[in-house]
Parts: sequence; C-alpha cells; structure tokens
Amino acid sequence: AQKVTQAQTEISVVEKEDVTLDCVYETRDTTYYLFWYKQPPSGELVFLIRRNSFDEQNEISGRYSWNFQKSTSSFNFTITASQVVDSAVYFCALSEAGSGGYQKVTFGIGTKLQVIP
Amino acid sequence: GAVVSQHPSRVICKSGTSVKIECRSLDFQATTMFWYRQFPKKSLMLMATSNEGSKATYEQGVEKDKFLINHASLTLSTLTVTSAHPEDSSFYICSARLPQNTEAFFGQGTRLTVV
Repeated sequence: AQKVTQAQTEISVVEKEDVTLDCVYETRDTTYYLFWYKQPPSGELVFLIRRNSFDEQNEISGRYSWNFQKSTSSFNFTITASQVVDSAVYFCALSEAGSGGYQKVTFGIGTKLQVIP
Repeated sequence: GAVVSQHPSRVICKSGTSVKIECRSLDFQATTMFWYRQFPKKSLMLMATSNEGSKATYEQGVEKDKFLINHASLTLSTLTVTSAHPEDSSFYICSARLPQNTEAFFGQGTRLTVV
C-alpha cells in the first residue's frame, strides 16, 4: 500500500522568507512517481513537478526547489523568497507504476501555506 | 500541458435530485480518468477510476449506485450524484492521464452544494 504523509498541516511565513514543505512517502514498489500540486483558494489543482523514483537529482525551478532523498523516503519542497501569491494548499502525491493500465495517485493531506505581507 | 475541462464549476441542487458533472480531455484521448472527492480541509480521496468502454472501478466505501460514472468516449467521463443529500456536498475533481504517461492532469473541480 502507498501512503503520503505531510506532517505540517499549516505554515505561516512572512513574505520573503524561505519555507520548506515536508513530504514523506511509503511504497513497496521500486518504480514510482512523486508529485507536488498547488491548490489555490479557487480550488483547481496546479501541477508543479513530477519525479520518478530513479531520478534523485534535485530540481530548481525559479523560486521553487525540490529535494528527493530515497534513503529517507522524502520529497521536500522549498519556496525561496516567498510571496503572497504562494499562499495555497500544497499537496504531495505518489503514484506507483502498477500493472493494469492505470496508476492511481495517492495524495497527502496537504499543507496550507499562508504568506503574510 | 494537456487540458482537462470540468463542468460545472459550481452547482447547487435540492435534496433528492441528481446532478451530473462532466470531465473532458480537450486535446488528448484519455482511456482512463479518475474522480476524486475533497472534504473541507481534507485531502483528495479517490472515488473511482473510469475506464472508457467498461465499468468504473470504485474504491472501497464508495457507493456505486450513488455515484454513477460513465466513460462513454475517450474524451468524456461523467459523474452523476444520484438522489443527492446535504452530506454529498463537497468538492469533486477529475483527472485524466495521458497514455504512456504518468502525469495526471486535473480539471478545475466542481463544488457541489446540496440544500
């Protein structure tokens, strides 16, 4: 069974601070995919990143960076110099590369980030 | 990226009535679509997997007769909440996966309120 844990339910930071959102996952598969999604107040899910289990390279995209560590089963997300527009709920998710033609995505409970001006 | 359109974005219906939510993949064919439900301040819970041309696969605890799923074409899946009750009020969101691709694209979601 797959499981995603986001221990931080809510985080508040002051604008321009850096913030890291934690994600720990559990899976028995050796091939799997990890995701981060952003859900602004409007409700839609915005795809941020996908990482497969064989690629442990960290990734940076603008103010966003991700740290994937298989040894600790973690896929943490850091926002540098946070902005008010970053305020949203962020979901970490896991998809195992199962058979049968589909791989369902399991979401963590989400971390609500509030960036205070 | 691929676009998934969900309609309506908001719907209010009376108890006892049925409401249909559509999920369309606009620029790709999706043999598989997923339906999720999100309770307030909760995560997204997978309700069912919709397979084109066959019956949907429901997750444990989801009532098949309550939440009817039809995946009639490669670009359209519908979720019908039958005999709606106030406890069915929730945010429903669909996703579609590109063939040969593990990335799932999500619709905008539908906020259902049953009064």
